Amino acid sequence: EDQVTQSPEALRLQEGESSSLNCSYTVSGLRGLFWYRQDPGKGPEFLFTLYSAGEEKEKERLKATLTKKESFLHITAPKPEDSATYLCAVPPNTGNQFYFGTGTSLTVIP
Amino acid sequence: EPEVTQTPSHQVTQMGQEVILRCVPISNHLYFYWYRQILGQKVEFLVSFYNNEISEKSEIFDDQFSVERPDGSNFTLKIRSTKLEDSAMYFCASKWMDSFQDTQYFGPGTRLTVL
Repeated sequence: EDQVTQSPEALRLQEGESSSLNCSYTVSGLRGLFWYRQDPGKGPEFLFTLYSAGEEKEKERLKATLTKKESFLHITAPKPEDSATYLCAVPPNTGNQFYFGTGTSLTVIP
Repeated sequence: EPEVTQTPSHQVTQMGQEVILRCVPISNHLYFYWYRQILGQKVEFLVSFYNNEISEKSEIFDDQFSVERPDGSNFTLKIRSTKLEDSAMYFCASKWMDSFQDTQYFGPGTRLTVL
């Protein structure tokens, strides 16, 4: 069964302390990997799409990378406003819906 | 910037009652989705909708659920007889074209509480 796994479940960082979040997937024949940010009680907010191994995308303090088995979301010098749950999602082999991971809850402490 | 909107933001209902959750997708989008997220769990796909019919649905989307696009702007999810386990956040999403490469944009969600 296609699966998306994210780690760690929770991450606490000091402001300015860089780190990485992981998303591994077992979907055969990846057709794209999507990163979203979700604030408490809100809907997922789109961040990045990656399509092929080696691809990288950047937005402010965030950089997403993709290999054949996993994706990383690197957070450089995070600020408290980066605190949120970060979700990754992939479409299955056929169909256009998303399989979501359980997310990584990031807390950045001032 | 265009966005998906959902109403109500919070719905409280008694078990066995019918509820209708409403969504207004982004105006030029053609594909519409409903997902749900039980507290502390993954976002789960329910149904996708295109050209006035269901294109895909998950095992969760049983006969108690239905979707409709009653006019050119609204997209609704109806739960006929709510159960306690239907309590969750329900998210509507839309995208422009039929491609896995096209991003789904999500609304803010409706929190459904079944008592």
